[in-house]
Amino acid sequence: GENVGLHLPTLSVQEGDNSIINCAYSNSASDYFIWYKQESGKGPQFIIDIRSNMDKRQGQRVTVLLNKTVKHLSLQIAATQPGDSAVYFCAEKAGFQKLVFGTGTRLLVSP
Amino acid sequence: NAGVTQTPKFQVLKTGQSMTLQCAQDMNHNSMYWYRQDPGMGLRLIYYSASEGTTDKGEVPNGYNVSRLNKREFSLRLESAAPSQTSVYFCASSANTGTSDTQYFGPGTRLTVL
Repeated sequence: GENVGLHLPTLSVQEGDNSIINCAYSNSASDYFIWYKQESGKGPQFIIDIRSNMDKRQGQRVTVLLNKTVKHLSLQIAATQPGDSAVYFCAEKAGFQKLVFGTGTRLLVSP
Repeated sequence: NAGVTQTPKFQVLKTGQSMTLQCAQDMNHNSMYWYRQDPGMGLRLIYYSASEGTTDKGEVPNGYNVSRLNKREFSLRLESAAPSQTSVYFCASSANTGTSDTQYFGPGTRLTVL
């Protein structure tokens, strides 16, 4: 398996609980944000995105919240399942600049 | 629709050997990217190609070269591999038609340089 994320912060939850994963971004000019999920041995998978003109966006079982005042992004996963176990990381983008990726949080879901 | 594909999945090289990592996308995307991922460091951009016929250096280009062969394919070459290049390499692509530019990733190539 992967040794990526050996020193990542870890969030442990029980199956069925709601999970909240946080991300602090650095660039006040960032206006586009993405959450990715990366399972062991796989590439990052797009989950949900949000533009800076929104505070909240919902997908299937996931919600992203954006607080531009404190430069904070969160991903909420409802009714967390064992298949949600993965590393989650955010990415930010300012205008036409390149995406900048965070290092991630490991989510562990126990049955 | 396979998305982004990468070959090989695994590779072991000796120091000084060369190899080319292949990447192809079938989403008709304009832009393609090569990243490396090391423990605790997140994804770091090696090279990117904003459109067919153009390539530019990213954050960590030393020791690598790239070729945008056509709109679908973007290869990464290690001319003389070093142990510091042991990493997981990801290719990504995006439409790059505006400021909301979602990148889609391949499954990765796990490279070990001895």
